[in-house]
Amino acid sequence: DQQVKQNSPSLSVQEGRISILNCDYTNSMFDYFLWYKKYPAEGPTFLISISSIKDKNEDGRFTVFLNKSAKHLSLHIVPSQPGDSAVYFCAATGSGAGSYQLTFGKGTKLSVIP
Amino acid sequence: NAGVTQTPKFRILKIGQSMTLQCTQDMNHNYMYWYRQDPGMGLKLIYYSVGAGITDKGEVPNGYNVSRSTTEDFPLRLELAAPSQTSVYFCASSTQGVGTEAFFGQGTRLTVV
Repeated sequence: DQQVKQNSPSLSVQEGRISILNCDYTNSMFDYFLWYKKYPAEGPTFLISISSIKDKNEDGRFTVFLNKSAKHLSLHIVPSQPGDSAVYFCAATGSGAGSYQLTFGKGTKLSVIP
Repeated sequence: NAGVTQTPKFRILKIGQSMTLQCTQDMNHNYMYWYRQDPGMGLKLIYYSVGAGITDKGEVPNGYNVSRSTTEDFPLRLELAAPSQTSVYFCASSTQGVGTEAFFGQGTRLTVV
């Protein structure tokens, strides 16, 4: 039973265009969401996060949007660059018991084409 | 700045063998975690620690053990390796709980044959 779903295993985008990566969750107890980026043969690196009290968080070219009623979040990358090519993981956690556990999606592989 | 260091990077084990995956961090983080990532899947939490001397189970702890005698080190022990433990293992650390940014090591690719 996947509590965090990234339904697109892969995404290809032209350099300079917008990349939109989507993530859905089912657990209503989740109240904090993070995006991690992973290059091959490296560990994941933190990209951006959002608390459930917000609906948007922006950091440079990266913006995360949260729609709590739809249990949906998305990561926008504008403009996309070839160095953004990586696997992006959506992760979620709650503030209650077990909040140490980050629940990850399966990831979306982004390819930015020069 | 070393961050989170894992050793070894690669290992092949035979069924029934045991080994310890080493993890050390130099950021003085209280929280440390072990995750595994199976092919095409997200990361799953094996064990975590909120400080020296304190450890607890995550989502998939069976077949593993951990210890946390110092703030810096958080080794993961595999006893009686099984093919189902073939995976990439990541160690991570953070200043607080997982609501804050966690820093990951480069991973250990383990194959059990």
